[in-house]
Amino acid sequence: DVKVTQSSRYLVKRTGEKVFLECVQDMDHENMFWYRQDPGLGLRLIYFSYDVKMKEKGDIPEGYSVSREKKERFSLILESASTNQTSMYLCASSLTGGNTYNEQFFGPGTRLTVL
Amino acid sequence: AQSVTQPDIHITVSEGASLELRCNYSYGATPYLFWYVQSPGQGLQLLLKYFSGDTLVQGIKGFEAEFKRSQSSFNLRKPSVHWSDAAEYFCAVTPYGQNFVFGPGTRLSVLP
Repeated sequence: DVKVTQSSRYLVKRTGEKVFLECVQDMDHENMFWYRQDPGLGLRLIYFSYDVKMKEKGDIPEGYSVSREKKERFSLILESASTNQTSMYLCASSLTGGNTYNEQFFGPGTRLTVL
Repeated sequence: AQSVTQPDIHITVSEGASLELRCNYSYGATPYLFWYVQSPGQGLQLLLKYFSGDTLVQGIKGFEAEFKRSQSSFNLRKPSVHWSDAAEYFCAVTPYGQNFVFGPGTRLSVLP
């Protein structure tokens, strides 16, 4: 089974802090994604990556950056956390091609609170 | 731009009753269609998916969904709901391998 893990389930940070959210997948997937989830808004794509050292902006990239130095790891960085970044963050991965049709596998999520 | 709507924000059903969750999408061609479930405090788990072929697809946990091209819909159904089905349900589409677009979700509550 595909396993996607996220470094923290719960995180509390202060405004202005630099925050790192880590995601690791163990199935050699090419694609990795970061979403934020807010009530009534569903999941919104922040950034994604189709390969090592490659990144693309999603729908709401402002205030975030990402890093993918290794295929299995995709990090989300909040350079200067703000209260409006309090949210649930979900990481996902998927395989390119084959018969998977880009089905995404999700981690358990990190609930971030910025005070 | 493609979009996904789930008209019901919150649905409450009694245990043992049938369930239908609605999903409509807006896109020129038929995308790939998915339903995910999220239990409280958890990530998303895939329930079922549709790519082509038989328009009635079976998933895990006794769920099924029917694709109706004429209505641009992909509604999720279950004949008899269990208390453990209480969760949030997300419909998602991906137009031919592009990024997913998720609906806003429907929260299901189950009465004993």
